[in-house]
Amino acid sequence: SQQGEEDPQALSIQEGENATMNCSYKTSINNLQWYRQNSGRGLVHLILIRSNEREKHSGRLRVTLDTSKKSSSLLITASRAADTASYFCATGGVGDDKIIFGKGTRLHILP
Amino acid sequence: NAGVTQTPKFRVLKTGQSMTLLCAQDMNHEYMYWYRQDPGMGLRLIHYSVGEGTTAKGEVPDGYNVSRLKKQNFLLGLESAAPSQTSVYFCASSSHRAGSYNEQFFGPGTRLTVL
Repeated sequence: SQQGEEDPQALSIQEGENATMNCSYKTSINNLQWYRQNSGRGLVHLILIRSNEREKHSGRLRVTLDTSKKSSSLLITASRAADTASYFCATGGVGDDKIIFGKGTRLHILP
Repeated sequence: NAGVTQTPKFRVLKTGQSMTLLCAQDMNHEYMYWYRQDPGMGLRLIHYSVGEGTTAKGEVPDGYNVSRLKKQNFLLGLESAAPSQTSVYFCASSSHRAGSYNEQFFGPGTRLTVL
């Protein structure tokens, strides 16, 4: 399975601090995506990074990908209360019709 | 655009009852997916469809059936509900396959309890 595994499972930080969560996977991928899920809601796509990319930015989000280590990290800078959510990585392979989700990191931003 | 919608939002069933969950998307997407989400388990793929009239099994298909008679709709059926099927069910759609760098759009979910 190429399922991603997020680390840590849960993270609490003060508002304004940076939050970093990691994702590791097992097999070769074509792309890796990060999604956010607010409590009781559906998932929302945040960012996609291709296997030939090493870093990508979107607003306060920075994603890195290290295919040699089969890992990715999501950095959220200057965290806000609204960033409190669960974050999932998902991996897709070449020719795949589906993506495989990890179990997620629960992020709690403290006021 | 409504995006991806799911009906119903909540449902309580008794063991052995049947029901159908409806997913509809108005983005003309080819690919549609049904997931279940259980505490600590992330999202697990039940069934998916790569186009109208097609269906395929995902990671946890047992106890579920699906149909994609119209491009915009993807139905998930439980023929004889079991307590193990208590979960939150999410539908998603995408314009192309996952390997083509495409994001998935999710519905709001259906919370199902089987007593």
